[in-house]
Amino acid sequence: GAGVSQTPSNKVTEKGKYVELRCDPISGHTALYWYRQSLGQGPEFLIYFQGTGAADDSGLPNDRFFAVRPEGSVSTLKIQRTERGDSAVYLCASSLALRREKDEQFFGPGTRLTVL
Amino acid sequence: KQEVTQIPAALSVPEGENLVLNCSFTDSAIYNLQWFRQDPGKGLTSLLLIQSSQREQTSGRLNASLDKSSGRSTLYIAASQPGDSATYLCAVKPSGTYKYIFGTGTRLKVLA
Repeated sequence: GAGVSQTPSNKVTEKGKYVELRCDPISGHTALYWYRQSLGQGPEFLIYFQGTGAADDSGLPNDRFFAVRPEGSVSTLKIQRTERGDSAVYLCASSLALRREKDEQFFGPGTRLTVL
Repeated sequence: KQEVTQIPAALSVPEGENLVLNCSFTDSAIYNLQWFRQDPGKGLTSLLLIQSSQREQTSGRLNASLDKSSGRSTLYIAASQPGDSATYLCAVKPSGTYKYIFGTGTRLKVLA
């Protein structure tokens, strides 16, 4: 079946603008995660959804970042007043939300965000 | 605070060699550890997941071990091929959470 998809694959914006990044999880996966990866680094956790609710948003860096998952499937990560430091690859992952020992996360290809 | 370290940061080997990638973590209270592969400009592909109660997992030419008490995992790649060239990331899921904490990865180049 289809994997996790993310759109757009690349987004270039100007400092101060608003952007939305979209994630379509694997069908049937109730858990959805957003991570951010800077060049040469491993991904860093941003937020985790179980169904429609954000169960853990402790990784969001500040209140310019917000994410929604209104119907428990597609999720949108929203960044207001973008800054050059927001430039990174934003990765989405989904899982079946099995027992945490067994639960495997599957990642999408990412959205490369560049803030000029 | 959980920290994950991967050594070496980069590795270049001739085709056919067996090799070991290392991952260490500071807090042994984890649910599992997962190894991923990342090709340039791409997302992450899951390779192996080892639950906290397990010692190792195998898939084809890959074998991953976990020593939770010492905070170490190794990924063994047998008979390396140029197609194995990629960045390999390990990640741990700390107890009490659903998120992964990642290392910075090992960039592997297998020379033909």
